[in-house]
This record gives sequence, C-alpha cells and structure tokens, in this order.
Amino acid sequence: DVKVTQSSRYLVKRTGEKVFLECVQDMDHENMFWYRQDPGLGLRLIYFSYDVKMKEKGDIPEGYSVSREKKERFSLILESASTNQTSMYLCASSLLGESQFFGPGTRLTVL
Amino acid sequence: AQTVTQSQPEMSVQEAETVTLSCTYDTSESDYYLFWYKQPPSRQMILVIRQEAYKQQNATENRFSVNFQKAAKSFSLKISDSQLGDAAMYFCAYRSPAGGTSYGKLTFGQGTILTVHP
Repeated sequence: DVKVTQSSRYLVKRTGEKVFLECVQDMDHENMFWYRQDPGLGLRLIYFSYDVKMKEKGDIPEGYSVSREKKERFSLILESASTNQTSMYLCASSLLGESQFFGPGTRLTVL
Repeated sequence: AQTVTQSQPEMSVQEAETVTLSCTYDTSESDYYLFWYKQPPSRQMILVIRQEAYKQQNATENRFSVNFQKAAKSFSLKISDSQLGDAAMYFCAYRSPAGGTSYGKLTFGQGTILTVHP
C-alpha cells in the first residue's frame, strides 16, 4: 500500500516564526502536492512538484515556499507564519496520470 | 480554469438507505477525470471512485456508483445501503488529462458532510 506520512498531526506556532511541514512518500511517485483545507473552501493547491528540485505554483502560493531535494520528500515552508495561515495542510503524491494518495494532514495553528 | 461546485454543505441519511451527493463542474476540456474522495473524521483522505470522461459507462465500486452526465457537467455520487462508516466529508474533484502542464493537479469542490443515522 502507498504510504504518505506527514511529520506532525498538530502544530502550534507563533506569528513570525518560520515553519516547516514535512511530507514523505514511499512509492517512488514523481508528483507531490501541498494543499490547504479550510471550511467551505474545500482543498486548494499551494504548490506541487513533478520531479526532484522542480516545483510549480498552485492556486494560492503567496506566503509559502517548498523544497524537494529528494524524490520521496516534499517540504512546505512558511517563511513568516501569520494567523491567516492557520489551517489543515494536506500532502499528496501520485504517479503521472494516476490518482493521488493523501497523508493524514497537519493541523497548524498560528497564534 | 476549471471549477467544481458542491451545492450541498451537509446531507444526512438513515442507515441502510440510499443517498446521492451532487457535484457540478465547469471546463472547456473534452477529456478529463473526475473523482470522489472521502475524508472520515480521522482526516485521512481516501479515493472512493474515479470516472474517465471518455467512458460513457458510469463507474461503480461496490455500494458506490456515479451518475456522470457529461453534457450537463454533472457528476453525482450515489451511496447505497448506507453504513455508519460512510459518515465523512466527501469531496468531488476534477483533473485534466495527464501530460502537458497540469501534472495531475486536482481541483476540489467545497465538500459535503454526510451524516449517517442509525
């Protein structure tokens, strides 16, 4: 079975802190994605990566950056966390043309 | 850009009954994929069912089936013989064909919370 793991289930940070969210998949998938989930808005794509060191902006990239140094790992970085970045963050991975598999999510609270 | 709309924020069903969740989408593409994902209270999102737009036959997975109306751009999910374990948030999602610059990005609807009453 495909396994997508995220480093934390719950995270509390203070405004202005630099935050790292880590995602690891174990099925050699080329594509990896970061979404945020907010009530009434569904999931919105922040960034995605189609290969090591390659990245593309999604629909809401402002305030975020990403890093993919190894194929299995995709990191989401909040350079200076703000309260409006309080949300559930979901990571997903897939082979090209195949369905996405999701991690359990990280509930981030920025105080 | 594609959009996906789920107009039912919440739905409820009695155990063993049938419920239909609605989804509409907007696209100018002729070839694409549609998905229903389930997110139980534990938050792990799982794929329920997938439909390729070029297939006329509606997809079915055990108690889950879809009604895909391409001309109407409608993609509803029917859950038969509902079980308590079906209670979850359900998301409809759209994906462009593989290749090109889409890289398999998903566009999601707002979600529908399904409650199952015993």
